Amino acid sequence: EAQVTQNPRYLITVTGKKLTVTCSQNMNHEYMSWYRQDPGLGLRQIYYSMNVEVTDKGDVPEGYKVSRKEKRNFPLILESPSPNQTSLYFCASSFEGGYGYTFGSGTRLTVV
Amino acid sequence: QKEVEQNSGPLSVPEGAIASLNCTYSDRVSQSFFWYRQYSGKSPELIMSIYSNGDKEDGRFTAQLNKASQYVSLLIRDSQPSDSATYLCAVGNSGGGADGLTFGKGTHLIIQP
Repeated sequence: EAQVTQNPRYLITVTGKKLTVTCSQNMNHEYMSWYRQDPGLGLRQIYYSMNVEVTDKGDVPEGYKVSRKEKRNFPLILESPSPNQTSLYFCASSFEGGYGYTFGSGTRLTVV
Repeated sequence: QKEVEQNSGPLSVPEGAIASLNCTYSDRVSQSFFWYRQYSGKSPELIMSIYSNGDKEDGRFTAQLNKASQYVSLLIRDSQPSDSATYLCAVGNSGGGADGLTFGKGTHLIIQP
């Protein structure tokens, strides 16, 4: 089944403890993005990647890192999480950006 | 910075009627436009894409694009209770979307049985 898989689905962590949210797609897609969704603010792009080793900042990149060492994987790294990073995170991928993105199931992160 | 504006709603429509959802965008060079449906607690699901001025129909859904007015709309005919969801308008960044999408905040649609 063609899909974007994110793990974990739910995560509660403490301030300052490094964490990684994994994202993997099995559709051989070139383009991948990370978004966060917050009430009243909608979906906002954190980082995107247009190919292996090609990543760039989106609208809200502060406090996040990404890597794209393999085409299928695009992990999101929070080096020192803070409570304002409590959010619902989505990874998405696309074969060709102009044809829309497929979203993963989401990761609900709580930082206490 | 790109902006995509939607009325947050809720928009309440009787079952069987036409639901009309609207969206405006700020970047005149945008080339690709999308409508996503998001049920509460779920991920966004692509339901329509449109690239040229005019109408595009897919089943009960019709997307409309007017680039001169920077306006995108979604019509849902014969609305069903299962259509109750938040509808997100999205615009491809850098014209085509290779560097992702900019989303509106969504319109909450309620179909009343």
